[in-house]
Amino acid sequence: DGGITQSPKYLFRKEGQNVTLSCEQNLNHDAMYWYRQDPGQGLRLIYYSQIVNDFQKGDIAEGYSVSREKKESFPLTVTSAQKNPTAFYLCASSKRDRNTEAFFGQGTRLTVV
Amino acid sequence: GQNIDQPTEMTATEGAIVQINCTYQTSGFNGLFWHQQHAGEAPTFLSYNVLDGLEEKGRFSSFLSRSKGYSYLLLKELQMKDSASYLCAVRPDTGRRALTFGSGTRLQVQP
Repeated sequence: DGGITQSPKYLFRKEGQNVTLSCEQNLNHDAMYWYRQDPGQGLRLIYYSQIVNDFQKGDIAEGYSVSREKKESFPLTVTSAQKNPTAFYLCASSKRDRNTEAFFGQGTRLTVV
Repeated sequence: GQNIDQPTEMTATEGAIVQINCTYQTSGFNGLFWHQQHAGEAPTFLSYNVLDGLEEKGRFSSFLSRSKGYSYLLLKELQMKDSASYLCAVRPDTGRRALTFGSGTRLQVQP
């Protein structure tokens, strides 16, 4: 079955450490996105990529980095520069057509300890 | 800039009808989406409107008025499993296809 997979589901990080969240899709989608969600809040866009080897900053990119070396994969690194990284991270993908829905992964809950 | 507003919380009774409103002010517009999100889970797609009018899909309907910057999601014959957050999101008419989300409306369905 096609889908979008995030791993791990739960992640604990010590302060000062970088950590990478995985996102893989086999839907043959060109576009991929990373969102952050804080308790009781909506989703805020961190980074997005519309094609392989290209990505753009979203609204809250500071302290994060991404790569898009393969169409299927869009990993997100949370760096030590991100001051408040504890949150629920959601990866999504979509076709390039404008009226298409986005499909979400199951999310990674990151906690800084 | 982008601004999307929806009520924070709503309560309704099982079997009833509830309407969740969303108003938006965005630098462009290329479609409005509604998603459902249960606690701790990923959002799931419910509906998409790009033209004015009502889109019906089973118990769920969504309405759009582009001139008013307004949409609503209508849920009929409410069930307990409909207790969730409902997220309104807009796709701006720019090169960026990523959705801009509102903060979500938390709906509690009571017996």
